[in-house]
Amino acid sequence: DIVMTQSPDSLAVSLGERATINCKSSQSVLYTYTNKNYLAWYQQKPGQPPKLLIYWASTRESGVPDRFSGSGSGTDFTLTISSLQAEDVAVYYCQEYYSTLYTFGQGTRLEIK
Amino acid sequence: QLQLQESGPGLVKPSETLSLTCTVSGGSITSRNYFWGWIRQPPGKGLEWIGSMSYSGDTFYNPSLKSRVTISVDTSKNQFSLKVTSLTAADTAVYYCARQLDTGVQPYYFDNWGQGTLVTVSS
Repeated sequence: DIVMTQSPDSLAVSLGERATINCKSSQSVLYTYTNKNYLAWYQQKPGQPPKLLIYWASTRESGVPDRFSGSGSGTDFTLTISSLQAEDVAVYYCQEYYSTLYTFGQGTRLEIK
Repeated sequence: QLQLQESGPGLVKPSETLSLTCTVSGGSITSRNYFWGWIRQPPGKGLEWIGSMSYSGDTFYNPSLKSRVTISVDTSKNQFSLKVTSLTAADTAVYYCARQLDTGVQPYYFDNWGQGTLVTVSS
């Protein structure tokens, strides 16, 4: 089974500053046949369902602000918010879809400093 | 605009069976490009995938729940359903239905989610 581990568990960043969330998979989620990383990022605001932000590790979903970006390959991935806005307060999850277990990370809580 | 809406009981007794339905509007459940899945989230905790099904009946289940879970699709109503048997308090969670992209190899990420429904298992 693939285990997804996020760091940190929680993060406080000042408005306008950069926020960085990391996700590490216990095995590579890069499928060499397609040369794609099977990794997605979601944002979950309080009382709301998760919202897809990023798929294929770095492709932004339609309508997602360009301050959100994803990077990484293989086992190490990063979600970056370039300039934190108040509405970005949420819990962020990574998820692998390399296996048919669709494992999520434990989540990273992002707050305003 | 695609919308998914969960429905079902909010309170279920231990050892009983939970039945939830997800109604899809603004799109067809028979689309070849998608699977339809269930994910749950215990209060204050993270996300756990339960299982997914295509309209044609292909299914994937989380092995940790497979013995207790059944997902079915009703194309005439544009709905899909979840049954979980032998409930315990550990099954208390918000249950989400979601659409999952499929390219014909296996389902991928979840691009549309319902609002979720809280199910409490208690006597």
